Amino acid sequence: GAGVSQSPSNKVTEKGKDVELRCDPISGHTALYWYRQSLGQGLEFLIYFQGNSAPDKSGLPSDRFSAERTGGSVSTLTIQRTQQEDSAVYLCASSPLRGPSTDTQYFGPGTRLTVL
Amino acid sequence: KNEVEQSPQNLTAQEGEFITINCSYSVGISALHWLQQHPGGGIVSLFMLSSGKKKHGRLIATINIQEKHSSLHITASHPRDSAVYICAVSPNTGNQFYFGTGTSLTVIP
Repeated sequence: GAGVSQSPSNKVTEKGKDVELRCDPISGHTALYWYRQSLGQGLEFLIYFQGNSAPDKSGLPSDRFSAERTGGSVSTLTIQRTQQEDSAVYLCASSPLRGPSTDTQYFGPGTRLTVL
Repeated sequence: KNEVEQSPQNLTAQEGEFITINCSYSVGISALHWLQQHPGGGIVSLFMLSSGKKKHGRLIATINIQEKHSSLHITASHPRDSAVYICAVSPNTGNQFYFGTGTSLTVIP
């Protein structure tokens, strides 16, 4: 079946502009994660959605970052007033049930964001 | 402060060698994951374990909960094993997922 998909695959934007990154999880997966991987850095947790529960936003680095998940499926990560330090690969992952404590995560290919 | 530490950071091996990558963590966990990331590629989950040992093909993952340590072994390494291997833990509390910085493995033919 189809895996996790993300769009766009690459995004180049100017400093100060807003960007939206999209994630389509595997159908039926209730848990969805956003991560960030900066150049030369490890992966960093951003936000977690589980079903219809309130998301865990504890990893968002600033209030310029927000995310929503509509209908328990597609998720959008929005970065407002982008800064150069936001340049990174943004990865989405989904899992069938409760996430990394009980399930294997399936990762998307990522969106490479470059802020000029 | 890094909750997850991996070693070595970089590793070069000859084809056929036995490889070990180590992961130590400092928090109580419900599960530990080993992930593989090929250059320019996505991330694939190799193992999820909370105790003991798991084996898949030439890959073996072990975990010692008391010592807060896990190892990933690759037997009879092959150039296609060249990738970054990432250790990640799911702590007992919260929904965080802490990642190590990865071990970059290069297997030379």
